[in-house]
Amino acid sequence: AQSVSQHNHHVILSEAASLELGCNYSYGGTVNLFWYVQYPGQHLQLLLKYFSGDPLVKGIKGFEAEFIKSKFSFNLRKPSVQWSDTAEYFCAVGGSNYKLTFGKGTLLTVNP
Amino acid sequence: EAQVTQNPRYLITVTGKKLTVTCSQNMNHEYMSWYRQDPGLGLRQIYYSMNVEVTDKGDVPEGYKVSRKEKRNFPLILESPSPNQTSLYFCATRINLVTEAFFGQGTRLTVV
Repeated sequence: AQSVSQHNHHVILSEAASLELGCNYSYGGTVNLFWYVQYPGQHLQLLLKYFSGDPLVKGIKGFEAEFIKSKFSFNLRKPSVQWSDTAEYFCAVGGSNYKLTFGKGTLLTVNP
Repeated sequence: EAQVTQNPRYLITVTGKKLTVTCSQNMNHEYMSWYRQDPGLGLRQIYYSMNVEVTDKGDVPEGYKVSRKEKRNFPLILESPSPNQTSLYFCATRINLVTEAFFGQGTRLTVV
């Protein structure tokens, strides 16, 4: 069975600080990896995705993530966060079984 | 415009009164699924469908039913809702197993 673990439940940063949110997954085959963002009161929106190729993927709004196969990790990064990045962030893993499994989410609060 | 449309967006109902939450997509995606989102638990898959007349249980199917009689619609049925089904529900679609999920706007259900 596949699973996703997000290390941080709540992260609080000041504007301009750097961000790294941890995500580790468990799956025995080829994986597809995703990060989603959910702004307050809204639905989930895709930030970035990894299918194959370059393990460093860039997404929208200046976010990027690095797939490290040996560590089963797909951490999300942003060099300088803004107040508008305040949201909940979800890591997800997809396998060959059509199943998309989400982590429990990390709430990011950015203080102005 | 590509859309996943859920109705209603908000619903308050009483224990035991059957209800249906509709989900419709205009993207011709084969794969559709339902998730519930609860604080601290992330998104958990209720049911999914790989095509018309093909559905299967996700991680938390108890108390729910679905049907997929046509490609664009995937309603979620609660035959006898209970308070523990109070949650935020999302419908999602995918082109296939290697693509991202597109989410509806969500349905906030309260069962009293």
